Amino acid sequence: QKEVEQDPGPLSVPEGAIVSLNCTYSNSAFQYFMWYRQYSRKGPELLMYTYSSGNKEDGRFTAQVDKSSKYISLFIRDSQPSDSATYLCAMRENQGGKLIFGQGTELSVKP
Amino acid sequence: SAVISQKPSRDICQRGTSLTIQCQVDSQVTMMFWYRQQPGQSLTLIATANQGSEATYESGFVIDKFPISRPNLTFSTLTVSNMSPEDSSIYLCSVYSTGTDTQYFGPGTRLTVL
Repeated sequence: QKEVEQDPGPLSVPEGAIVSLNCTYSNSAFQYFMWYRQYSRKGPELLMYTYSSGNKEDGRFTAQVDKSSKYISLFIRDSQPSDSATYLCAMRENQGGKLIFGQGTELSVKP
Repeated sequence: SAVISQKPSRDICQRGTSLTIQCQVDSQVTMMFWYRQQPGQSLTLIATANQGSEATYESGFVIDKFPISRPNLTFSTLTVSNMSPEDSSIYLCSVYSTGTDTQYFGPGTRLTVL
């Protein structure tokens, strides 16, 4: 069993839809949770960073962490074609520690 | 945030040869990392390269195959040695910023081995 599980998709939605991306994990020691966005032929860029449980909102993006269920989510509201990319969840136990990535979900937002 | 560049951006190599990938950062960083991203797969950490010490390799990766240099706080190289088609992948350099507790990634080097 992988430490971090993420549905690879692909996920296709119409412009304006609400997108929900999810990851589950098995290591209860994970405390830091991140979402990276990776456009085609580019390196991953940090989108959201969350410590421990709870929600964090940044514009159209909301990250949720439920440590009791070992489940994290990224919501994208009013999705745009420019949101089309691969979204990778990542997590680690402590500051500066080893990042463990999910497989990535490929998202396509159709105009 | 750190700005990271990698050279080359892509290359096509013959089986049995070696390729050295360069990573340059616009600021001094202690921790640098090298990842591999195979098609349809997640990022896999190859090694951690801290300036002034030997690189630390993850399980399944060995120094003879992936020698790493870290001569200063802004530069590192990863060599992929004696390449086979299974080494075809994207290789990514990453740095950790203590100020933001964040890892930043370079654009990657897309390697194809024939």
